[in-house]
Amino acid sequence: SAVISQKPSRDICQRGTSLTIQCQVDSQVTMMFWYRQQPGQSLTLIATANQGSEATYESGFVIDKFPISRPNLTFSTLTVSNMSPEDSSIYLCSVLLQGGGYTFGSGTRLTVV
Amino acid sequence: GIQVEQSPPDLILQEGANSTLRCNFSDSVNNLQWFHQNPWGQLINLFYIPSGTKQNGRLSATTVATERYSLLYISSSQTTDSGVYFCAAGYNFNKFYFGSGTKLNVKP
Repeated sequence: SAVISQKPSRDICQRGTSLTIQCQVDSQVTMMFWYRQQPGQSLTLIATANQGSEATYESGFVIDKFPISRPNLTFSTLTVSNMSPEDSSIYLCSVLLQGGGYTFGSGTRLTVV
Repeated sequence: GIQVEQSPPDLILQEGANSTLRCNFSDSVNNLQWFHQNPWGQLINLFYIPSGTKQNGRLSATTVATERYSLLYISSSQTTDSGVYFCAAGYNFNKFYFGSGTKLNVKP
């Protein structure tokens, strides 16, 4: 199965700034996803990262706030822009494996102060 | 979207005990997964099980797609089983919906 390296693992950021999270996979994958997990909550899909085209965002998430890039089949970035304390969450990258399962990165724990 | 309900929300076990976690989903699905999130936040894929039964060591899972539920069995629980167990269901592989989770605490 694929191994995902997600960076940074955690960060504390000032409100109004932006943070870019990287997701690197050790093999080519067709589908990559970005999730948010707010404190004590379940996971919510932010968007599907599409290789070579704009990401597909879920309801409630917009490109200006969460721009996503996916330049190739092994790498993607998520930027959290103009952050506020409400953006404090764990952000997770996920990929679809051959055979139908999913695997997740170790997550980025973001605190906005 | 699909509504995914998990029960119980919280579970406390003594080490060595067995347990059953339940996941109900509101529609026919082609994609159902169980995950374990450990206390450090790492999410581990336990089972991809849209139907049928699978076993992996002390864990097993059964999905009855026609009745829209799935069960996760944990036998001889260990303290390392503690964490949150999530069920996620979807129509296809493009998107799936997470339940609210079952928080398990196994005491020594």
